[in-house]
Formats: sequence, structure tokens, C-alpha cells
Amino acid sequence: KAGVTQTPRYLIKTRGQQVTLSCSPISGHRSVSWYQQTPGQGLQFLFEYFSETQRNKGNFPGRFSGRQFSNSRSEMNVSTLELGDSALYLCASSLELGLNTEAFFGQGTRLTVV
Amino acid sequence: AQKITQTQPGMFVQEKEAVTLDCTYDTSDPSYGLFWYKQPSSGEMIFLIYQGSYDQQNATEGRYSLNFQKARKSANLVISASQLGDSAMYFCAMREGTKYGNKLVFGAGTILRVKS
Repeated sequence: KAGVTQTPRYLIKTRGQQVTLSCSPISGHRSVSWYQQTPGQGLQFLFEYFSETQRNKGNFPGRFSGRQFSNSRSEMNVSTLELGDSALYLCASSLELGLNTEAFFGQGTRLTVV
Repeated sequence: AQKITQTQPGMFVQEKEAVTLDCTYDTSDPSYGLFWYKQPSSGEMIFLIYQGSYDQQNATEGRYSLNFQKARKSANLVISASQLGDSAMYFCAMREGTKYGNKLVFGAGTILRVKS
């Protein structure tokens, strides 16, 4: 069974550009969450999608957006990139919504903004 | 206020010995779940163990066990018989009910180094 796949693994972008990251969840999983990991702020929740609907959003500016497709694949977009957006972006997929539902993470996309 | 506190930035342990990684949490929700994840240098977060707020017994998964003390709001991870491959960053995380979907709140993490 394939795990969570995130593409690309590495990205280098220039300030002001925009970027789109992709996440393919485990087959059958309907929940996809995104997290940003930086040395200074640690792991922070960005947003979660379930059956193509955004269920929850973290405290990030509107430059960060996402969507989920009918096949549960998800993309997140960051517009007008800033140096502080350099981070490891992790995607997690879950089978369903639930207190004890395990989240399976991908290997992440490491974004560097120069 | 911090929801999840991991007070040990780094820990060393001798191979084959046990080690305890501390985690305290803060929530007013009676229904919550606590998770531990391992993150090796590759970046992927690997699920280790789960404890629900209503679980009567401490969770165990192979060499991992969770020392759950509800009144003290602590959920310490115990790794027995440490192996060199256990060297990684370890995160404690909490999910508060289901009103926030599957959102996880993470602690700052503890770097564990296993010495041979």
C-alpha cells in the first residue's frame, strides 16, 4: 500500500513568486492536513480538507491556500513568497475524522525562498 | 499558553537502556487524544503510539509505552532497550475532541541521541 506522496521534495523559489505543493494521500483516505515546520516556530497547522471541504484553518495569512480534489489529492499554494516561508511543508492523510484517527505523514516538501 | 510542552530539548541514552521523554499538555476539553511521533533526519513523521483521554490503561506498542498521568496532564514516552536507529527527533502531539477535525497541536520536540 503506497504511503503519502508529496511532490516535489525540494523547491527553491525567489521572493515574490508563488508555489504549489502537491500531496497524494493513502488510497481511501479522505482527510488531508498540511503543516509547516520551521526551526523557530516548530510544527504549525495550516489547514485540513475532508471530502473536498476545508474543515479547519490555522493562523496563517491569506497568501496560504489549499484545495482538495475529488480523488482526495490536495494542493497548497503560497503566493507572494517571503523569506520566512522557507520551511518543510508536511502533509498528513487520515482515513476519517476521529479523535483516535492516526495521521500518516509524507516526507515533506522542503521550500527555500531566496 | 502552550498546549503541549516538551521540556527536554535534547537527550542522550546508552544503547540498550531505557529512556523517558517528557510531555505535558493543557486542555479543558474532557475528550482528547495524545500522540507521539518520531522524525528521523529524512523528515517523515512516523507514528509511534496513541493514548485517549478515556483510556484506562497506558498504551504500549512494542518497545514504546506511554506513561499517562491524567491528573498531572502528562504523557511521557518510554522507549525500552534503545537502539541506534532510535536517534531522531520525537514530538508529542494532542488532538482536542473532533471539533477541530483532525488538527494536531505539536510540542517543540526532543532530540534523542543513542550512544553505542
